[in-house]
Amino acid sequence: NAGVTQTPKFQVLKTGQSMTLQCAQDMNHNSMYWYRQDPGMGLRLIYYSASEGTTDKGEVPNGYNVSRLNKREFSLRLESAAPSQTSVYFCASMVVGGSNQPQHFGDGTRLSIL
Amino acid sequence: RKEVEQDPGPFNVPEGATVAFNCTYSNSASQSFFWYRQDCRKEPKLLMSVYSSGNEDGRFTAQLNRASQYISLLIRDSKLSDSATYLCVVNWGYFGTGTSLTVIP
Repeated sequence: NAGVTQTPKFQVLKTGQSMTLQCAQDMNHNSMYWYRQDPGMGLRLIYYSASEGTTDKGEVPNGYNVSRLNKREFSLRLESAAPSQTSVYFCASMVVGGSNQPQHFGDGTRLSIL
Repeated sequence: RKEVEQDPGPFNVPEGATVAFNCTYSNSASQSFFWYRQDCRKEPKLLMSVYSSGNEDGRFTAQLNRASQYISLLIRDSKLSDSATYLCVVNWGYFGTGTSLTVIP
């Protein structure tokens, strides 16, 4: 049982390049989330998908787009990467958004933008 | 005002000590509360949920104070392996900045 799988684990980009971070969960969870974590800032919510077919902005959505491809997969796209987007990105899933259930996290993607 | 505020520490305590962390939240309608543990920027892992009546799991005790809008985590008999960053989470998307704990031999 893999849980939440993120790819890639590491990536270095040049300013202006684009890329997509992939996330997949095998727990049949309805809700999925993308966070970024910067030193001293804790985790900040970028986008979330409460259920298949829906996506909503979180606290820091600017510069990102998301796609909930199906129930299992939720991708995060950087269209034109900027150095300020250098961060560790975590994907998480949850049985049902808003319930009293915890989130389960992937291992993270460490992204550096030069 | 931030949704969730947490003292970043660091807390440096000797083995065997008792240490407590608090986390305050701004939304009085908040319904779910958790403590996560994070090691060396790895993924956060659920430590325990926080229930209204308070709950205990071994050396760890979590409490919720709705009147003052804070949650707490108490660690008794600290072990070296408890060294980590502890994150409080309110509802499903609001994380505290984390409190760093180092247990010293």
